[in-house]
Amino acid sequence: QQQVKQSPQSLIVQKGGISIINCAYENTAFDYFPWYQQFPGKGPALLIAIRPDVSEKKEGRFTISFNKSAKQFSLHIMDSQPGDSATYFCAATDPNTGNQFYFGTGTSLTVIP
Amino acid sequence: EPEVTQTPSHQVTQMGQEVILRCVPISNHLYFYWYRQILGQKVEFLVSFYNNEISEKSEIFDDQFSVERPDGSNFTLKIRSTKLEDSAMYFCASRSTGGPTEAFFGQGTRLTVV
Repeated sequence: QQQVKQSPQSLIVQKGGISIINCAYENTAFDYFPWYQQFPGKGPALLIAIRPDVSEKKEGRFTISFNKSAKQFSLHIMDSQPGDSATYFCAATDPNTGNQFYFGTGTSLTVIP
Repeated sequence: EPEVTQTPSHQVTQMGQEVILRCVPISNHLYFYWYRQILGQKVEFLVSFYNNEISEKSEIFDDQFSVERPDGSNFTLKIRSTKLEDSAMYFCASRSTGGPTEAFFGQGTRLTVV
């Protein structure tokens, strides 16, 4: 059972453009929604996270938009840079299952100079 | 900056052999996790560990897998009899609380079973 569905699988964006990655979930018990960034050969690193009582969170060029009623959340990367080229995973945690992370399938982002 | 450290970075083993993957979580963290990532696929939960016992485990974490915190700093994942399909990146993670907070991931151990 896929707890968190992520799209697109891959994304190519011009430098300076906006990158948008979407995730959807079914489990209404999820209470924490982080986005992780992963470079090749490295472990996932937290980029930004949101709780369901907030509809938007912005940190620098990165923004999470959260739609609780639609059970969707998305990552927006403004002014995308070649250094942003990485794989991005959305995730969610459920306090009923020990707050383990349920990861999306990942989006490979390539920012073209 | 504190970090989660994993060793070795790459392990090659023959099918049927036992392997032990090692992790040193961040020192004041209390919750520990192992995740697996098969090449090109998503990160999958294996097991969580708190207060010297397993708190949650996935279907992947069968009798061939075990975890241990043998001393105050190390957290290990043992695979008793490796299979080809165990080939993956294995990530250790830790967090300070059990609640909805950031988990810090190690850089991973690439396990190759031949």
